[in-house]
Amino acid sequence: EDQVTQSPEALRLQEGESSSLNCSYTVSGLRGLFWYRQDPGKGPEFLFTLYSAGEEKEKERLKATLTKKESFLHITAPKPEDSATYLCAVQPIIQGAQKLVFGQGTRLTINP
Amino acid sequence: GAVVSQHPSRVICKSGTSVKIECRSLDFQATTMFWYRQFPKQSLMLMATSNEGSKATYEQGVEKDKFLINHASLTLSTLTVTSAHPEDSSFYICSAAGNLGQETQYFGPGTRLLVL
Repeated sequence: EDQVTQSPEALRLQEGESSSLNCSYTVSGLRGLFWYRQDPGKGPEFLFTLYSAGEEKEKERLKATLTKKESFLHITAPKPEDSATYLCAVQPIIQGAQKLVFGQGTRLTINP
Repeated sequence: GAVVSQHPSRVICKSGTSVKIECRSLDFQATTMFWYRQFPKQSLMLMATSNEGSKATYEQGVEKDKFLINHASLTLSTLTVTSAHPEDSSFYICSAAGNLGQETQYFGPGTRLLVL
């Protein structure tokens, strides 16, 4: 069964304190791994797609990396506006389908 | 680009009534749209996948007669919650994807449904 586990469940950081969020996954075949950001009461906002082990992508203070078993979302010198829930999802290789399997998310709080 | 809208953003209804939620892709053609529901402090649960012009595929445990999905065009999908009950109260979110296989899903802003 395809499964995604994110850790930690919640993380509090001081402004400027860098850290990493983890997404571990098991999937029969990986088409892609996605990171989204979700603010309270809103839909997820797309951040990154990673397709193969060793791939890295960056956007402002965020960098996502991928191995065969997990992905990390590194946050460098975060600001209070980076506070949100970060969701990781995998897209298994299923003929004719583009389903996403989501993790439970990491609630990130950046204190000023 | 890749903007998805939902309407309404919030709805309150009486038990037994039906509620329709619209999902539109504003700047791209969505061959596939997805409907999720999300309970407080939980992740997204896929309810169904719909392809333009064909019947939706429902996830296990989701009643297709209760959650009617129509994907009549490449930019519009609707979810109708029929005979809504308080346990149907939730946050419903749609997403839309193109047709390139590895296409990213772009999400709408969500619809908060409260059934009294």
